[in-house]
Amino acid sequence: KAGVTQTPRYLIKTRGQQVTLSCSPISGHRSVSWYQQTPGQGLQFLFEYFSETQRNKGNFPGRFSGRQFSNSRSEMNVSTLELGDSALYLCASSWENTGASNTGELFFGEGSRLTVL
Amino acid sequence: AQSVTQLGSHVSVSEGALVLLRCNYSSSVPPYLFWYVQYPNQGLQLLLKYTTGATLVKGINGFEAEFKKSETSFHLTKPSAHMSDAAEYFCAVSRSWGKLQFGAGTQVVVTP
Repeated sequence: KAGVTQTPRYLIKTRGQQVTLSCSPISGHRSVSWYQQTPGQGLQFLFEYFSETQRNKGNFPGRFSGRQFSNSRSEMNVSTLELGDSALYLCASSWENTGASNTGELFFGEGSRLTVL
Repeated sequence: AQSVTQLGSHVSVSEGALVLLRCNYSSSVPPYLFWYVQYPNQGLQLLLKYTTGATLVKGINGFEAEFKKSETSFHLTKPSAHMSDAAEYFCAVSRSWGKLQFGAGTQVVVTP
Protein backbone atom coordinates (compact mmCIF):
# COMPACT_ATOMS: atom_id res chain seq x y z
CA LYS A 1 0.00 0.00 0.00
CA ALA A 2 1.49 3.30 -1.06
CA GLY A 3 2.20 5.84 1.68
CA VAL A 4 1.46 9.53 1.78
CA THR A 5 3.05 11.23 -1.21
CA GLN A 6 4.09 14.85 -1.18
CA THR A 7 5.31 16.88 -4.12
CA PRO A 8 7.60 18.58 -4.69
CA ARG A 9 10.13 17.38 -2.15
CA TYR A 10 12.30 20.46 -2.41
CA LEU A 11 11.69 23.92 -3.78
CA ILE A 12 13.21 27.36 -3.65
CA LYS A 13 11.19 30.55 -3.97
CA THR A 14 11.82 34.23 -3.49
CA ARG A 15 10.01 36.62 -1.20
CA GLY A 16 6.67 37.73 -2.52
CA GLN A 17 6.09 34.67 -4.65
CA GLN A 18 3.47 32.06 -3.96
CA VAL A 19 3.78 28.31 -3.71
CA THR A 20 1.48 25.31 -3.98
CA LEU A 21 2.27 22.01 -2.34
CA SER A 22 0.50 18.77 -3.10
CA CYS A 23 -0.37 15.77 -0.97
CA SER A 24 -1.82 12.41 -1.96
CA PRO A 25 -3.08 10.50 1.08
CA ILE A 26 -3.02 6.78 1.61
CA SER A 27 -5.77 5.10 -0.39
CA GLY A 28 -8.97 5.07 1.64
CA HIS A 29 -7.90 7.84 4.00
CA ARG A 30 -10.28 10.76 3.92
CA SER A 31 -8.68 13.10 6.43
CA VAL A 32 -5.64 15.15 5.47
CA SER A 33 -3.73 17.42 7.83
CA TRP A 34 -0.88 19.83 7.21
CA TYR A 35 1.93 20.78 9.56
CA GLN A 36 4.78 23.25 9.40
CA GLN A 37 8.11 22.24 10.94
CA THR A 38 10.83 24.77 11.70
CA PRO A 39 13.84 24.64 14.04
CA GLY A 40 12.50 27.53 16.07
CA GLN A 41 8.81 26.74 16.35
CA GLY A 42 8.85 22.98 15.99
CA LEU A 43 5.82 21.20 14.58
CA GLN A 44 2.79 23.42 14.19
CA PHE A 45 -0.64 22.46 12.94
CA LEU A 46 -1.86 24.33 9.88
CA PHE A 47 -5.24 22.81 9.00
CA GLU A 48 -7.18 19.61 8.47
CA TYR A 49 -9.58 18.61 5.72
CA PHE A 50 -12.17 15.90 5.53
CA SER A 51 -14.51 15.33 2.60
CA GLU A 52 -13.39 18.57 0.97
CA THR A 53 -14.24 20.58 4.09
CA GLN A 54 -11.84 22.30 6.43
CA ARG A 55 -12.69 21.01 9.88
CA ASN A 56 -9.86 22.47 11.88
CA LYS A 57 -7.44 25.34 11.50
CA GLY A 58 -4.29 26.41 13.32
CA ASN A 59 -3.06 29.90 14.12
CA PHE A 60 -1.55 30.91 10.82
CA PRO A 61 -2.21 34.03 8.77
CA GLY A 62 -4.60 34.00 5.86
CA ARG A 63 -1.67 33.70 3.44
CA PHE A 64 -1.78 30.01 4.25
CA SER A 65 -4.68 28.21 2.63
CA GLY A 66 -5.59 24.75 1.54
CA ARG A 67 -8.16 22.64 -0.15
CA GLN A 68 -9.12 19.06 -0.62
CA PHE A 69 -10.43 17.42 -3.74
CA SER A 70 -13.08 14.75 -4.10
CA ASN A 71 -10.40 12.05 -4.37
CA SER A 72 -9.03 13.23 -0.98
CA ARG A 73 -5.88 14.69 -2.49
CA SER A 74 -5.01 17.99 -0.90
CA GLU A 75 -3.07 21.09 -1.75
CA MET A 76 -1.84 23.92 0.38
CA ASN A 77 -0.93 27.34 -0.87
CA VAL A 78 1.19 30.06 0.64
CA SER A 79 0.93 33.48 -0.95
CA THR A 80 3.25 36.44 -0.63
CA LEU A 81 6.08 34.34 0.74
CA GLU A 82 8.19 35.63 3.59
CA LEU A 83 11.62 34.49 4.72
CA GLY A 84 10.02 32.98 7.82
CA ASP A 85 7.96 30.64 5.70
CA SER A 86 11.06 28.56 5.02
CA ALA A 87 10.21 25.22 6.57
CA LEU A 88 9.45 21.58 6.09
CA TYR A 89 5.76 21.20 5.31
CA LEU A 90 4.37 17.85 6.31
CA CYS A 91 1.14 16.30 5.18
CA ALA A 92 -0.54 13.51 7.13
CA SER A 93 -3.55 11.36 6.42
CA SER A 94 -5.86 9.32 8.56
CA TRP A 95 -8.86 7.05 8.12
CA GLU A 96 -10.71 8.74 10.96
CA ASN A 97 -13.97 10.05 9.70
CA THR A 98 -16.26 10.63 12.64
CA GLY A 99 -16.15 11.73 16.22
CA ALA A 100 -15.09 14.82 18.00
CA SER A 101 -11.51 13.82 18.51
CA ASN A 102 -8.86 12.18 16.44
CA THR A 103 -7.87 9.06 18.31
CA GLY A 104 -6.07 7.44 15.48
CA GLU A 105 -2.69 7.43 14.01
CA LEU A 106 -1.58 10.03 11.52
CA PHE A 107 0.48 8.77 8.62
CA PHE A 108 2.99 11.35 7.50
CA GLY A 109 4.59 11.99 4.15
CA GLU A 110 8.27 12.84 3.78
CA GLY A 111 7.49 16.53 3.47
CA SER A 112 8.12 19.38 1.11
CA ARG A 113 11.11 21.49 2.08
CA LEU A 114 10.55 25.10 1.13
CA THR A 115 13.35 27.63 1.10
CA VAL A 116 12.45 31.29 0.68
CA LEU A 117 15.24 33.60 -0.44
CA ALA B 1 -5.81 23.53 27.26
CA GLN B 2 -3.41 20.74 26.50
CA SER B 3 0.34 21.01 26.27
CA VAL B 4 3.23 18.62 25.91
CA THR B 5 6.63 18.96 27.55
CA GLN B 6 9.62 16.90 26.60
CA LEU B 7 12.49 17.07 29.06
CA GLY B 8 15.84 17.39 27.33
CA SER B 9 16.27 18.57 23.77
CA HIS B 10 19.30 16.30 23.32
CA VAL B 11 20.07 12.91 24.81
CA SER B 12 23.26 10.95 24.29
CA VAL B 13 23.29 7.24 25.03
CA SER B 14 25.83 4.51 24.56
CA GLU B 15 25.02 1.62 22.27
CA GLY B 16 23.42 -1.09 24.39
CA ALA B 17 22.36 1.30 27.15
CA LEU B 18 18.84 2.19 28.24
CA VAL B 19 17.05 4.87 26.28
CA LEU B 20 14.68 7.01 28.37
CA LEU B 21 12.85 9.95 26.86
CA ARG B 22 10.55 11.92 29.11
CA CYS B 23 7.19 13.38 28.19
CA ASN B 24 4.68 15.13 30.40
CA TYR B 25 1.34 16.43 29.31
CA SER B 26 -1.26 18.68 30.76
CA SER B 27 -4.82 17.86 30.05
CA SER B 28 -8.16 18.29 31.71
CA VAL B 29 -9.39 14.98 30.34
CA PRO B 30 -7.67 11.66 29.64
CA PRO B 31 -5.70 12.27 26.47
CA TYR B 32 -4.69 10.20 23.51
CA LEU B 33 -0.89 10.11 23.47
CA PHE B 34 1.63 9.31 20.79
CA TRP B 35 5.34 8.95 20.23
CA TYR B 36 6.71 9.64 16.76
CA VAL B 37 10.24 9.31 15.40
CA GLN B 38 11.79 11.38 12.63
CA TYR B 39 14.92 10.36 10.79
CA PRO B 40 16.90 12.97 8.86
CA ASN B 41 15.12 14.30 5.79
CA GLN B 42 12.09 12.14 6.43
CA GLY B 43 8.60 12.51 7.76
CA LEU B 44 7.30 11.27 11.09
CA GLN B 45 6.74 7.61 11.83
CA LEU B 46 4.52 6.40 14.64
CA LEU B 47 6.35 4.43 17.32
CA LEU B 48 3.38 3.77 19.59
CA LYS B 49 0.15 5.22 20.89
CA TYR B 50 -2.01 5.18 23.99
CA THR B 51 -5.75 5.56 23.63
CA THR B 52 -7.45 3.43 26.25
CA GLY B 53 -6.81 0.17 28.06
CA ALA B 54 -3.41 -1.15 29.11
CA THR B 55 -1.17 1.60 30.36
CA LEU B 56 2.03 -0.10 29.18
CA VAL B 57 2.16 0.26 25.44
CA LYS B 58 4.57 -1.60 23.20
CA GLY B 59 5.63 -0.15 19.91
CA ILE B 60 7.91 -0.84 17.02
CA ASN B 61 11.68 -1.28 17.15
CA GLY B 62 11.63 -2.44 20.77
CA PHE B 63 10.24 0.79 22.23
CA GLU B 64 7.57 0.96 24.89
CA ALA B 65 5.92 3.66 26.94
CA GLU B 66 3.89 3.76 30.12
CA PHE B 67 0.93 6.04 30.65
CA LYS B 68 0.84 7.28 34.24
CA LYS B 69 -2.21 9.37 34.84
CA SER B 70 -1.19 10.34 38.38
CA GLU B 71 2.08 11.75 37.07
CA THR B 72 0.63 13.00 33.75
CA SER B 73 3.55 11.29 32.05
CA PHE B 74 4.13 9.12 29.02
CA HIS B 75 7.83 8.32 29.04
CA LEU B 76 9.40 6.34 26.21
CA THR B 77 11.96 3.62 26.89
CA LYS B 78 14.05 1.06 25.08
CA PRO B 79 16.19 -1.37 27.07
CA SER B 80 19.14 -1.44 24.71
CA ALA B 81 20.01 1.35 22.29
CA HIS B 82 21.08 0.60 18.76
CA MET B 83 22.94 2.88 16.40
CA SER B 84 19.84 2.97 14.20
CA ASP B 85 17.89 4.63 17.04
CA ALA B 86 19.67 7.92 16.39
CA ALA B 87 16.85 10.25 15.38
CA GLU B 88 14.53 12.90 16.75
CA TYR B 89 11.62 11.77 18.88
CA PHE B 90 8.37 13.63 19.41
CA CYS B 91 5.69 13.14 21.99
CA ALA B 92 2.23 14.29 20.96
CA VAL B 93 -1.27 14.58 22.34
CA SER B 94 -4.43 14.46 20.29
CA ARG B 95 -6.49 17.62 20.43
CA SER B 96 -9.18 17.43 17.78
CA TRP B 97 -9.76 16.44 14.19
CA GLY B 98 -6.44 15.62 12.59
CA LYS B 99 -4.67 17.84 15.07
CA LEU B 100 -1.82 16.68 17.21
CA GLN B 101 0.03 18.96 19.59
CA PHE B 102 3.69 18.02 19.59
CA GLY B 103 6.40 18.48 22.13
CA ALA B 104 9.58 20.26 21.12
CA GLY B 105 11.32 17.01 20.35
CA THR B 106 14.35 15.16 21.73
CA GLN B 107 17.35 14.47 19.54
CA VAL B 108 18.91 11.12 20.40
CA VAL B 109 22.57 10.47 19.68
CA VAL B 110 23.90 6.94 20.05
CA THR B 111 27.63 6.53 20.66
CA PRO B 112 29.54 3.31 20.01
